[in-house]
Parts: sequence; structure tokens; C-alpha cells
Amino acid sequence: AQTVTQSQPEMSVQEAETVTLSCTYDTSESDYYLFWYKQPPSRQMILVIRQEAYKQQNATENRFSVNFQKAAKSFSLKISDSQLGDAAMYFCAYRSRETSGSRLTFGEGTQLTVNP
Amino acid sequence: ETGVTQTPRHLVMGMTNKKSLKCEQHLGHNAMYWYKQSAKKPLELMFVYSLEERVENNSVPSRFSPECPNSSHLFLHLHTLQPEDSALYLCASSQDRGQGNEKLFFGSGTQLSVL
Repeated sequence: AQTVTQSQPEMSVQEAETVTLSCTYDTSESDYYLFWYKQPPSRQMILVIRQEAYKQQNATENRFSVNFQKAAKSFSLKISDSQLGDAAMYFCAYRSRETSGSRLTFGEGTQLTVNP
Repeated sequence: ETGVTQTPRHLVMGMTNKKSLKCEQHLGHNAMYWYKQSAKKPLELMFVYSLEERVENNSVPSRFSPECPNSSHLFLHLHTLQPEDSALYLCASSQDRGQGNEKLFFGSGTQLSVL
């Protein structure tokens, strides 16, 4: 079974600075997808960014980018120019390509605080 | 708003009560999900419905009973719950194309407290 580990329960960053959230996962599969979801105080989880394991190029979405290290099974999220609205719980998630439907395996989450 | 609406937002119930959680999606998706989010634990997938048919049931106790009458509505019927069932219950939907990278759209959840 796949597992996802987020070793940082809490992180903080100054507004306009850069922060990196860590995620590692364990799998024996070669083809899969990785995601970062954000859960603000409204509780509604929102997809931030996703990466396909067969793509070597790191995904980027505006101020959000990932550092995908397949051999190390690492998938970190970098937030540049942090804004107050980035404060939320961030979840890393894994999904096998072999199964149908979106059965995601989530990590425990990292609570990000953005200080003004 | 992500197009997925959950009611009620908060629910307090006794262990002998029967209640239902409701989820509605306005996105035309063909798959819906129930997740349980407990403090300090990863989200747990409870049930998956694809094209209104239950395709996954992750060893969830029978005191949780899902129902998907059509592709836009999903219910979670609760009865004789235990205090450890207190958690945030999240509904999600997606357009399942069998590709694996589909985006999940979540509701705001129902915060359930079992006394």
C-alpha cells in the first residue's frame, strides 16, 4: 500500500518570502500522480498543483512550483512571494495510475502560517 | 465556491440518533466521494460512487450507510454512531475519465460531533 508522509506539521513564513513544504511517499509503482491540495479555514479543499510521475519537468502554477525527485520519492511544494491568503493546511496526495477513479492517499497535512 | 454543496455545516448528535449528511454537486461530474477528516490524521476515503454505482467501500463500519440516488446527489446516513466518529466529513466530486489525474472538487464539509 502506498503511504504519504508530511514531516512538518506546522510551518511559518513572512509575507513576500518563499517557503517549501516537504512530502515523501512510498510506492512500488512506476506510474502515478502526485497532488498538493490546500484547505483554508473555510474547510473547502482546493487543488493547488499536480504532477505526473512520467514527466521529468516540475509542474508550475504561478507562484506555486514543485520539486519532484522520483528516485528519492520526494515531492515538495515551493510557494514564492507568499501572501496572507496562502495561510492554510496543505495536503500532499498520491494516486496510482493503475486504478480507476480518483482514490487519493493523503498525507497528514502541514499547517502554513503567513506572518505580515 | 467549488460547485459542491454540503449540508448541514455542523451536526451534533447522540449515539442513538439517526441523521443524514447531504452533498450536491452542480458540475456535471460522474463520480462522488465521501472522505473522513480526523484531527492529526490523513484524510480517509470512505466511499466512492462512479456513475451512481458504489465502486469502493473501504472497510467502513455499517453504521455509515451511503446512498447515491443520481449523479448529482450523495448522502451519508448515520445511525448508532460512536464518539470516535466525530470528525469532518468531506464530500467531493470529479469527472472520472480513467486517466488518474482528475481534479477533485470538495465541499466545505460537515463537522460532526457525537456525544
